[in-house]
Amino acid sequence: KQEVTQIPAALSVPEGENLVLNCSFTDSAIYNLQWFRQDPGKGLTSLLLIQSSQREQTSGRLNASLDKSSGRSTLYIAASQPGDSATYLCAVDNNAGNMLTFGGGTRLMVKP
Amino acid sequence: AAGVIQSPRHLIKEKRETATLKCYPIPRHDTVYWYQQGPGQDPQFLISFYEKMQSDKGSIPDRFSAQQFSDYHSELNMSSLELGDSALYFCASSLDGSPLHFGNGTRLTVT
Repeated sequence: KQEVTQIPAALSVPEGENLVLNCSFTDSAIYNLQWFRQDPGKGLTSLLLIQSSQREQTSGRLNASLDKSSGRSTLYIAASQPGDSATYLCAVDNNAGNMLTFGGGTRLMVKP
Repeated sequence: AAGVIQSPRHLIKEKRETATLKCYPIPRHDTVYWYQQGPGQDPQFLISFYEKMQSDKGSIPDRFSAQQFSDYHSELNMSSLELGDSALYFCASSLDGSPLHFGNGTRLTVT
C-alpha cells in the first residue's frame, strides 16, 4: 500500500527566503505526482504535476523535482511571499486513475 | 473559467440522520471523484465515476453511496451518520484522466 510522507509538518520563514518542501513515497511505481496548495477551509489547487517519466516541472517561482527511484519529490519555492502561506500537499497517483494518495501536508507560514 | 461546484458549502446533521452532498463538475468533464478530509488529516479517496458508471472505489463506508447522473453531476448519499463522519468532503472532476480540478468542498458537521 502506498504511503506518502511530508517533511516538515510545519514551517515558518521570513519573507523573501527560498525554501524546500519534501515528499517521500514508499511505492516507486507511480504514474504521476502532484503538488497541491490548500488554504484554510478551502479546496485543493493543483500547483504542479510531474509525470513518472519527468524529472521536474516549473511554474513561476515554483519548481518541483521527482526522483522516482528513491521515492522522493521536492517543491522549491523561490523568494517566498506572505501570500504563499498555506498548506502544501503532495499526492501520488499509482494507476492513472486519479485515486490519489496524499501526504499529511506541510503547513507553511511566511512572515512579512 | 467554470470550476467544480459543490453544494451545500456547510451542513450540520445529527447522529443517525442522512445527508446528500452534490457536485457539479466542470463542463465536459466526464469523471467525478469524491474525497473525504477529516480534521487535521489528509484527503482520502472515496469513490469515482466515469461516464455515469462507478469506476473505482476507495475507503467509502457501506453507509455511503454515490451516483453520477445523465448531466454528469454527482451526489454522495450518507446514511446513519456518525460523529466520525464530520469532515470536509471534496469533489473533483477531470476529462480523460487529466489532472483533477477540486471544488471548495462541503463541510459536514455531525452532532
